Amino acid sequence: GQSLEQPSEVTAVEGAIVQINCTYQTSGFYGLSWYQQHDGGAPTFLSYNALDGLEETGRFSSFLSRSDSYGYLLLQELQMKDSASYFCAPNSGGYQKVTFGTGTKLQVIP
Amino acid sequence: GAVVSQHPSWVICKSGTSVKIECRSLDFQATTMFWYRQFPKQSLMLMATSNEGSKATYEQGVEKDKFLINHASLTLSTLTVTSAHPEDSSFYICSARDVPGSTDTQYFGPGTRLTVL
Repeated sequence: GQSLEQPSEVTAVEGAIVQINCTYQTSGFYGLSWYQQHDGGAPTFLSYNALDGLEETGRFSSFLSRSDSYGYLLLQELQMKDSASYFCAPNSGGYQKVTFGTGTKLQVIP
Repeated sequence: GAVVSQHPSWVICKSGTSVKIECRSLDFQATTMFWYRQFPKQSLMLMATSNEGSKATYEQGVEKDKFLINHASLTLSTLTVTSAHPEDSSFYICSARDVPGSTDTQYFGPGTRLTVL
């Protein structure tokens, strides 16, 4: 089976830094993906960690610790447009399905 | 990056009619596509996994006779909502998995908003 835990909601101030945590349990693990979804839109891919450590892509960074079954998404220099839902998604590899958790709704306030 | 399209982007239909939604991978071949449904303010719920050339695998609780999935080619999967009812009104999203590699990423279509009157 598979389980995911993320905070349901996070509020942060524009310009600040926010970290969205994700703990997972899955049978078979190849890496952890992060997706962003704005209200009314489809999810878009943000980042992927196959190995332990930090991956940086502009203002967004993602971290993975395989031994802890834990990862996080770090958003820096928050902008109002970052208000969205963020989903972590463990990949079990190959053609296996990816199941999304309930996600974290981020609200950026002025 | 890989692009996935969906058609139509929105559709309104009468109760009892059938609606077909197409999902296409435009610049890559997708052996596997996924169909999700999302109700307002809820997460994406996986409905089924569509494999090219074989029958779809449905998630528990999803009626395979109501949600017909066909994956006839490596770039096209279709979802047909048969005898649609108002409770089927939702946002339907497909995704396609890129060729398994280092990222194993899913690319999502823009979604189809279905309203059943």
